[in-house]
Amino acid sequence: KQEVTQIPAALSVPEGENLVLNCSFTDSAIYNLQWFRQDPGKGLTSLLLIQSSQREQTSGRLNASLDKSSGRSTLYIAASQPGDSATYLCAVTTGRRALTFGSGTRLQVQP
Amino acid sequence: GAGVSQSPSNKVTEKGKDVELRCDPISGHTALYWYRQRLGQGLEFLIYFQGNSAPDKSGLPSDRFSAERTGESVSTLTIQRTQQEDSAVYLCASSFVAGTGVEAFFGQGTRLTVV
Repeated sequence: KQEVTQIPAALSVPEGENLVLNCSFTDSAIYNLQWFRQDPGKGLTSLLLIQSSQREQTSGRLNASLDKSSGRSTLYIAASQPGDSATYLCAVTTGRRALTFGSGTRLQVQP
Repeated sequence: GAGVSQSPSNKVTEKGKDVELRCDPISGHTALYWYRQRLGQGLEFLIYFQGNSAPDKSGLPSDRFSAERTGESVSTLTIQRTQQEDSAVYLCASSFVAGTGVEAFFGQGTRLTVV
């Protein structure tokens, strides 16, 4: 059974810092890994999708890497801003199963 | 529409009543997923539909929960005889084809409160 773990559970940083969020998964036979952002009381917004054949994806200040063999992904946020404050979720797709989510990292960027 | 649409956005119901939640996926998306998110918790998989294949119902927590999907369009999640423990945000997502490296897009969710 696929399990996804995210570390840290919560993170508070001052504005401008670069930061890394971690995601690990137990079954490396994934099709893809997706990072989402969730604002309080809202749905999920897709940030980046990394297919199993890819090593990384970039979008603006966000960079996600994938090491499938070791079951790990990182989300790098450069020059953090207060507007980045949210919960960040990673999810993997394995076989016929729908996405399996981690429990998220709650990020607070202090102005 | 442009995105996944869920209705209602909020629902308050009395314990023991049945509720129906609706999800309109992005047009052309063959896969549709339902998740539940209790307050302060992660996303819990409920059910997913992929084209004409039999749905994966392995995440449904009890036989009070059921879901249907008509072709590749609207899906309804039905909760019978609601309990207070059913209070949560119910999220729906769709993707073009599940498991082939295509993004899943989520709706804004239905917040269900059972009183």
